[in-house]
Amino acid sequence: SAVISQKPSRDICQRGTSLTIQCQVDSQVTMMFWYRQQPGQSLTLIATANQGSEATYESGFVIDKFPISRPNLTFSTLTVSNMSPEDSSIYLCSVEDIGGSDTQYFGPGTRLTVL
Amino acid sequence: GNSVTQMEGPVTLSEEAFLTINCTYTATGYPSLFWYVQYPGEGLQLLLKATKADDKGSNKGFEATYRKETTSFHLEKGSVQVSDSAVYFCALSPGGYQKVTFGTGTKLQVIP
Repeated sequence: SAVISQKPSRDICQRGTSLTIQCQVDSQVTMMFWYRQQPGQSLTLIATANQGSEATYESGFVIDKFPISRPNLTFSTLTVSNMSPEDSSIYLCSVEDIGGSDTQYFGPGTRLTVL
Repeated sequence: GNSVTQMEGPVTLSEEAFLTINCTYTATGYPSLFWYVQYPGEGLQLLLKATKADDKGSNKGFEATYRKETTSFHLEKGSVQVSDSAVYFCALSPGGYQKVTFGTGTKLQVIP
């Protein structure tokens, strides 16, 4: 299974600012996924990031608010723009297992609090 | 569309009690099924999985069997420990890098 790291692990930000979250994988993967987990809730997929192409966003999420970069096969960033307190959540990146086993592995998450 | 329904929590058990967390799903085709665990302050860890009907996934004393006839994937453990206290998520994947659908999560608290 892939080993995934995220930076920062947590942050407290002011309303109106932006935060970029990094996700690093120890092996090359085709697809990377970004999820949001609001307090006490399940996971909601924000977007799917494929290297070399625009990210695909789920309903309710837009590129202007959550721009994503995927410059290579081991790295991706998610930016949370113009933050409001409603953006306070855990943001998780995940990758699907190499070889198409359908299994997704998750990073440790970034805990964001917006004041 | 696909959906996963989990039993509501929180579930509170005494140490060494038997655990069942119910999970049922709705999906077309033959999805893979998963249980993930989230310990306090951490990300999601894969607990176990099953990829076809009648498969049993197992790990750390936890088991779940893929029941296509009842569209279920209930999580069981014969004797829980305090260290099992966490939130458990049932999930399904249609495969082929498609979206994974998660249940709402069930919080388990095990008391000494």
